[in-house]
Amino acid sequence: GAVVSQHPSRVICKSGTSVKIECRSLDFQATTMFWYRQFPKQSLMLMATSNEGSKATYEQGVEKDKFLINHASLTLSTLTVTSAHPEDSSFYICSASPAEGAQDTQYFGPGTRLTVL
Amino acid sequence: AQTVTQSQPEMSVQEAETVTLSCTYDTSENNYYLFWYKQPPSRQMILVIRQEAYKQQNATENRFSVNFQKAAKSFSLKISDSQLGDTAMYFCAFMKSQGAQKLVFGQGTRLTINP
Repeated sequence: GAVVSQHPSRVICKSGTSVKIECRSLDFQATTMFWYRQFPKQSLMLMATSNEGSKATYEQGVEKDKFLINHASLTLSTLTVTSAHPEDSSFYICSASPAEGAQDTQYFGPGTRLTVL
Repeated sequence: AQTVTQSQPEMSVQEAETVTLSCTYDTSENNYYLFWYKQPPSRQMILVIRQEAYKQQNATENRFSVNFQKAAKSFSLKISDSQLGDTAMYFCAFMKSQGAQKLVFGQGTRLTINP
C-alpha cells in the first residue's frame, strides 16, 4: 500500500528557533500534499495545500510567513515553522494525494509532535 | 463553506456489541465524497470507509457500514461485532468532488470498546 513518512516524529526546540518537518511519499508520486494541525483532543485543521512546483495555498488565518511550505518534488513537501513559540506546540500531520488513481484518495503520514519550550 | 458535525464526543460499548456513530454535514454541493477515518492512540490516520454522494448504495467494508441519507445530510457509521482494536477516535470527513481535494473534518468521537 501507499506509504507516507514524516520526519522527525517528534521535536523539541527553544522559542525563537525554526523547525523543519519533512513529508515524503515513499512509493508513489504526489501532485498534492496537505498539512494539518491537531491540538490535543481536537480534530485536524487544514493549514495549507501544496502542489509540486507551485506556491502553497494557505487556509484563512494561517500565517504563510510563519509556516513556510515547500513542495520541491513529487515525493517531498516540507513545513518550516519559523521563529517558533510555545503556542506553536502541536501535532502536525501531512497527507499526500497520488498523481494517479482516485482523486479523493489521501494517504496520511504518522505525524510530528512539536514542542516549543 | 462546508461543515461537518459529530454530536457524540464519547461513546463506550462492550466488546462484540454494535455501535453507531453519528455525523451530519452541511453543503450546497451535489457531488462530493464522505469518509470515516480512525485515529488510534498511535495517531496514525486510517481510512475506514468512503462514500460517493452520487451512489445511493451504502458503502460497506467488512464489519463497517454506513447509513448515508443524502437529503438529510447524514452519514452515520455502524461498527458490528466491535473489537478491542476498534478503540480509537473516529472522524467523519467531507470532500468536494470538484476543485481542491480538501478534507473537512468533524470534531471526532472517542470510541472505547470494553472487554
